[in-house]
Amino acid sequence: ELKVEQNPLFLSMQEGKNYTIYCNYSTTSDRLYWYRQDPGKSLESLFVLLSNGAVKQEGRLMASLDTKARLSTLHITAAVHDLSATYFCAVDIPGSARQLTFGSGTQLTVLP
Amino acid sequence: DAGVIQSPRHEVTEMGQEVTLRCKPISGHDYLFWYRQTMMRGLELLIYFNNNVPIDDSGMPEDRFSAKMPNASFSTLKIQPSEPRDSAVYFCASSFYGTGRYGYTFGSGTRLTVV
Repeated sequence: ELKVEQNPLFLSMQEGKNYTIYCNYSTTSDRLYWYRQDPGKSLESLFVLLSNGAVKQEGRLMASLDTKARLSTLHITAAVHDLSATYFCAVDIPGSARQLTFGSGTQLTVLP
Repeated sequence: DAGVIQSPRHEVTEMGQEVTLRCKPISGHDYLFWYRQTMMRGLELLIYFNNNVPIDDSGMPEDRFSAKMPNASFSTLKIQPSEPRDSAVYFCASSFYGTGRYGYTFGSGTRLTVV
């Protein structure tokens, strides 16, 4: 059974600081996804990482994938309040029927 | 494109009543997924369809839950009879796995409260 673990589960950070969210998964996969969810809202796709060593950046967020370590990171640079949300990683097993298995989510709060 | 459309947005019902949640996927998408989100269990896959055919319903919690996809543009998730522990946000998502295209598009969700 595929397990996807995120840490930390809760993160409070000051504006302007940097931090990293980690996503570990238990089965070989070369596709990993990051989603953002605002309170009471749906999930919004942030990044799709499709190969070992993939790195993608959008604004203050940068995601990377190390398939050998079964690890993805979401790095936040110079956080701002607008980044406050819950961030989920999800893994898609090659050869599976395409369903995604989600981590528990990291609830990020950026404090002024 | 209007995205994945779910209805209703909110549903409050009494225990024992039948509840039907509806989903219209993005046109051209060939996969449709139903997820449930709760604080305790996070996001759980209930069932998914490929080309309107149910592929894996192992996540459906009980026989009280059923899902159908009569055509490519419509799916329903039904709970009968409903129980308070079914209270959750139910998301529908669709996807198309063509060249260079991956991942899901989620609907806005249906917040179900069973009292």
